[in-house]
Amino acid sequence: GESVGLHLPTLSVQEGDNSIINCAYSNSASDYFIWYKQESGKGPQFIIDIRSNMDKRQGQRVTVLLNKTVKHLSLQIAATQPGDSAVYFCAESNDYKLSFGAGTTVTVRA
Amino acid sequence: GAGVSQTPSNKVTEKGKYVELRCDPISGHTALYWYRQSLGQGPEFLIYFQGTGAADDSGLPNDRFFAVRPEGSVSTLKIQRTERGDSAVYLCASSLVAGAPQYFGPGTRLLVL
Repeated sequence: GESVGLHLPTLSVQEGDNSIINCAYSNSASDYFIWYKQESGKGPQFIIDIRSNMDKRQGQRVTVLLNKTVKHLSLQIAATQPGDSAVYFCAESNDYKLSFGAGTTVTVRA
Repeated sequence: GAGVSQTPSNKVTEKGKYVELRCDPISGHTALYWYRQSLGQGPEFLIYFQGTGAADDSGLPNDRFFAVRPEGSVSTLKIQRTERGDSAVYLCASSLVAGAPQYFGPGTRLLVL
């Protein structure tokens, strides 16, 4: 079946630097992708989404890039802040069901 | 506005007992989903409701698990004869329609002793 995975389980970044979190997916039929942020003891929080007819989408301090050729998704966070420390999940879907990877833990160093 | 709410936030029960977990979706959202998240893992799909009906329950692990959404709003996930392996965080999400962004609640942390 399909699977969504992140390249690195942990990422340490200096406060103020830009962060890049990567994700590989295996289901070429997936046409919708979402990034979630999950803080300890809380539910996943929607960050940004992108559909397969787009390559790039920007939000507030975040950018998602989609490369369908190599089935790769990335989340870029500009000027990383201490409040960005969390686990980040990418999820894929081709209908209504989301499939999640294991997540990347981002730690922001002061 | 109010997000997805779930009660209780924590539930401790004994092996073999019955539990009910409640989800209040965002008002106006027609689609509701249940996921289960084990420690260190991403959420795994359990069941999807469109309105009052369970459109896809393929993720429910066995017949001890059942969910309802009788009026198309609040949903209850029911687990019979709980087992220690059922211990996890149970997450509820809702979306305006199927295929729209899903917004999650805070989860119910279930511990089966």
